[in-house]
Formats: sequence, structure tokens, C-alpha cells
Amino acid sequence: EAGVAQSPRYKIIEKRQSVAFWCNPISGHATLYWYQQILGQGPKLLIQFQNNGVVDDSQLPKDRFSAERLKGVDSTLKIQPAKLEDSAVYLCASSLEAGSSYNEQFFGPGTRLTVL
Amino acid sequence: GNSVTQMEGPVTLSEEAFLTINCTYTATGYPSLFWYVQYPGEGLQLLLKATKADDKGSNKGFEATYRKETTSFHLEKGSVQVSDSAVYFCALRGGGSTLTFGKGTMLLVSP
Repeated sequence: EAGVAQSPRYKIIEKRQSVAFWCNPISGHATLYWYQQILGQGPKLLIQFQNNGVVDDSQLPKDRFSAERLKGVDSTLKIQPAKLEDSAVYLCASSLEAGSSYNEQFFGPGTRLTVL
Repeated sequence: GNSVTQMEGPVTLSEEAFLTINCTYTATGYPSLFWYVQYPGEGLQLLLKATKADDKGSNKGFEATYRKETTSFHLEKGSVQVSDSAVYFCALRGGGSTLTFGKGTMLLVSP
């Protein structure tokens, strides 16, 4: 079974530039998550999708971050414009579906973003 | 809100030593608790979990017991191997599906 795919693996940009990350979840997984992991910290949820609808985006900095999952499969996370403090690893995860019973979240390898 | 506190690393051990990584949590209600592991260059992988008080999660020789009275979920392994070198994250899940992670503890095992 193929895992969660993310690209690119690494990205270096200058502040005020734009950047986009792509995620393809495990086939059949209805729920998709984007996390931000700053060096030395644990992952922090940015946004959660159930199919193509947003379930939770309370911690997404909406003035500069946006995400979409138009067809309920793959997803794109965008930062525009980037700031120095956005330097982090961006993790994508997917699970069968969210709900009262636990469905394991499977994580991709992440995209390491460096903002200069 | 929910929070997870882990011991700071790195934890440096020799092969076959005993491992303990401390994890305590703050949460309302009855969260589920998890340990994730991140090997170099890879994504996070679920190592073990426990969903109610006194449950013991175990996998690959690692164990952790959900202690509600001390709000703890310490990770243990009786004999570590070099291949266990990784970053270990303690996490909790409250009422929804959102995971709250600790900061992670790096484990370095030398031959």
C-alpha cells in the first residue's frame, strides 16, 4: 500500500515570496491533515479536511496561508507571502475518516521549508 | 486546553540499556494517548497507543501505561538497539480527531 506522498521534499525561498506544497493521501482516506513542525517542537495542526470540506482551520494563519482539497483527494497548502518564522517542516497526514472511534493518522515524509 | 510535556533530549544510551522517556499530559475528559516515532528522513509513525486508564500499549518491545492518577504515559523499553535511534513524540487525542503533540525527545543509541 502506498503511503502519503508529499512534494517537494525541500524548498528554500526568500521572505515575501510564495510557495506551495502538495500532498496525496493514502487511497480511500477521507480525512487529510496539514501540520506545521517548527524545529524543536511537536507538530501543530494547521487544517483538517473531511473529503473536500474543512473541519478545523482554527490555527491556520489565514492572512497568509491557504489550503484546498478540491476533489476530496490530493491537497495543496500555500503560503503567500512567506515570513522568516514560517521556516518549518510541513507534514501531511491522512486517515480513513474522523469520528468518535480512532482512525490512525498516517504521515508523509514532510516538506522542509527554509525562508531566508 | 490540552497539552503534552515530554522530557527534553537528547537521551544518549548504550545498546542494551533500559529506556524511559517521560510524558505527562493535561486534558479535560478522557483522552487517548499515543507515542509516535520519527526516524531520520521519514514521516511520523504510530508506535503504540492506549485509549483508557490502565491500558498498556506495546509494540516492538516498547511499552507505555496510561496512568490517569498521575496523568502520565511514560515510554519504556528493556533493551534498546542502535536502530531505535529516532525522535519520539508523545501525543493525546481529546474529543475530536485532533492530535496534540509534545515537543519530542531525541534518542541516540551507540553500539
